[in-house]
Parts: sequence; structure tokens; C-alpha cells
Amino acid sequence: EAQVTQNPRYLITVTGKKLTVTCSQNMNHEYMSWYRQDPGLGLRQIYYSMNVEVTDKGDVPEGYKVSRKEKRNFPLILESPSPNQTSLYFCASSPTDYFEYSADTQYFGPGTRLTVL
Amino acid sequence: KQEVTQIPAALSVPEGENLVLNCSFTDSAIYNLQWFRQDPGKGLTSLLLIQSSQREQTSGRLNASLDKSSGRSTLYIAASQPGDSATYLCAVDNAGGTSYGKLTFGQGTILTVHP
Repeated sequence: EAQVTQNPRYLITVTGKKLTVTCSQNMNHEYMSWYRQDPGLGLRQIYYSMNVEVTDKGDVPEGYKVSRKEKRNFPLILESPSPNQTSLYFCASSPTDYFEYSADTQYFGPGTRLTVL
Repeated sequence: KQEVTQIPAALSVPEGENLVLNCSFTDSAIYNLQWFRQDPGKGLTSLLLIQSSQREQTSGRLNASLDKSSGRSTLYIAASQPGDSATYLCAVDNAGGTSYGKLTFGQGTILTVHP
């Protein structure tokens, strides 16, 4: 089944304890992205990756890191989580090749609900 | 900076009604506009994608239109059912700029269809 998977789905942690949220897609998509969703603020892009080893900042990158060593994986790393990073996180992927633009649907994972105490 | 607004914020209708959800955006230089559905505690499901060169897209009981020049899109749901209850999100993918593929989302319309 074609899908975007995220792990863990739920996580409660404490301030300062490094964590990684994994994202994997099995559709051979070029493009991957991370969003966070907060009440009243909607969905905002954190980081994106147009291809392996190509990543860039979205609107709210502070406090986050990403890497794209393989096409299928795009982990989100919080080196020192803080309570303001408590949120619902979504990973998305798309077959779009933004170097030869042909916009296509973005497919979203099920979400990771993170609570930082 | 692109801004996306959805009206109404919430809508409650009886089963069987036809309904329209509205989305407006401030920057008409878009690649595409996408409508998503989000169920409580779940991810986003893509419903319809309209490319900037298109005027509308249809899938089953759903029809989405796009008027790029006026910065508006509508999602029409025919013969609504209780299973249509969800939050509907509109998102635009802007052309150009430096943030490729960034979707700018509206706040969503919470739809409740009661039997």
C-alpha cells in the first residue's frame, strides 16, 4: 500500500531530551516536507527536501533539524525540545520534481502528537 | 506573503443538503490549489487538486472550482452524508519564490452533517 508512515504516533517527553520523529514513504517521491499544526495557527511548514541531500527551511525551522540521506526517509530531529514545540506534526511527500516543475498532490502521514513537558 | 482564508469556520447541515465551502487567497501566482479532508486525530487526505491552468475538478460528489484571477476557490459537496463530517482544508502551492512546494493552508471549515 502506497503510504507515508510516521513514528512514533504519540510522544510525551521532557524539555531538553533529544528526539527524532521518523518519516518514510514507499512511493519513490522526490519531495518531502514537515509541517506542524497548532490551534489557531493552522499548518505551517518546518522544512522541506526536494531530493536526496537537498533540504531547506520552511516558515518555522527554529529548533528543528532534518536530513535526507535516502529518498524514502526524512526524519525530523529536535535536538533540545521545548514546551513551545508541543504540537501535531505531519510529514508529507509528493512526486513533484521541483527542478522541472510539475506540481502534484502532496500525501500526508497520519501525524505525530508531541508533548514536551 | 500568501494568506488563505476559509469561510465559514464551521457549518452544520442536515443530511442530503448540497453545500459550498469557500476559500480565498491573496496571491494569485499559484501553481495549484488543493482541498484536503482531516478527520479528528488523523492525517490529511487529499480530495481534489486543481492546477493553476484548470477551472475545476470533480470527484464523485465533490466539485472544486478555481478562479485564480479573483483568488477564490469553492468546494461543492452534493447530497451530504454524515460520513462527510470532518474538517476541510484549502491549501495553495505558490509559484516561484524560494520555498518550493510549501503549501499555505487556510484555517479550515469544520463540517458536521447530522442525520
